[in-house]
Amino acid sequence: DAGVIQSPRHEVTEMGQEVTLRCKPISGHNSLFWYRQTMMRGLELLIYFNNNVPIDDSGMPEDRFSAKMPNASFSTLKIQPSEPRDSAVYFCASSLGGALGNTIYFGEGSWLTVV
Amino acid sequence: GQQLNQSPQSMFIQEGEDVSMNCTSSSIFNTWLWYKQEPGEGPVLLIALYKAGELTSNGRLTAQFGITRKDSFLNISASIPSDVGIYFCAGTGYSGSARQLTFGSGTQLTVLP
Repeated sequence: DAGVIQSPRHEVTEMGQEVTLRCKPISGHNSLFWYRQTMMRGLELLIYFNNNVPIDDSGMPEDRFSAKMPNASFSTLKIQPSEPRDSAVYFCASSLGGALGNTIYFGEGSWLTVV
Repeated sequence: GQQLNQSPQSMFIQEGEDVSMNCTSSSIFNTWLWYKQEPGEGPVLLIALYKAGELTSNGRLTAQFGITRKDSFLNISASIPSDVGIYFCAGTGYSGSARQLTFGSGTQLTVLP
C-alpha cells in the first residue's frame, strides 16, 4: 500500500522566495495533518484538515503560512515569503476517522532550507 | 495543555542488550502510540495502544498502556544495529482527536556493535 507521499523531499531556497510543499494522503483517509519538526521545538502541529476542510490552524506560525486541500487526495503547504527561521522538516500525515482516527501515518518529510 | 515526559533522552547500548523507555503524561490518555524515526525519514508507527493495561508486541518490540492511563513504556529485546533511531511516544486524551496528539521529545537510541 502506498503511504503518505510528499514532495519535494529536499528544497533549498533563498529568503523571500515562495515555497510550496505537496502531500498526497493515504487513500481513504479523511484527516490530514501538516507538522513541522525542528531540533528546538520537536514536532509541532501546524494545521489539521478533516474531509478537506481546515478544522484547526492554530499552529500556523503566521500569515506567511497557508495550507489548502482542494480534494481528498492532495494538499499543499505554502510559505510566502520564506525566511531562514522557516528551515525545518515539514511532515504531512493522514489518518482514518472513527475509532482509529488517533493513529496517524507520516510521510517521509520535506526538508526545507532557507538561506 | 497536555504534557508528555519521555525518558531517557538518549541511550547507548551494546548490541544484544534489552532496551526500555517510557512516557508519562500529566493527564489521562486514551491512546498511546510509539513511533520510530530514522535519519532522513519520517516517523514510522511501531505500536498503537487503545486500552488501559493493553500489552502489545511487534516482533522484538513490546509496549504497554499503563493502567493509570498516564504512562506507557516501550521495550526492545535483543537490540540490533538497525534499531538505531529516535523513538517517540505520542498520546491523546479523551477528546479522541488526533489533532490533539501530543508527542514526547524522543529517545535517541544508539546501538554499539
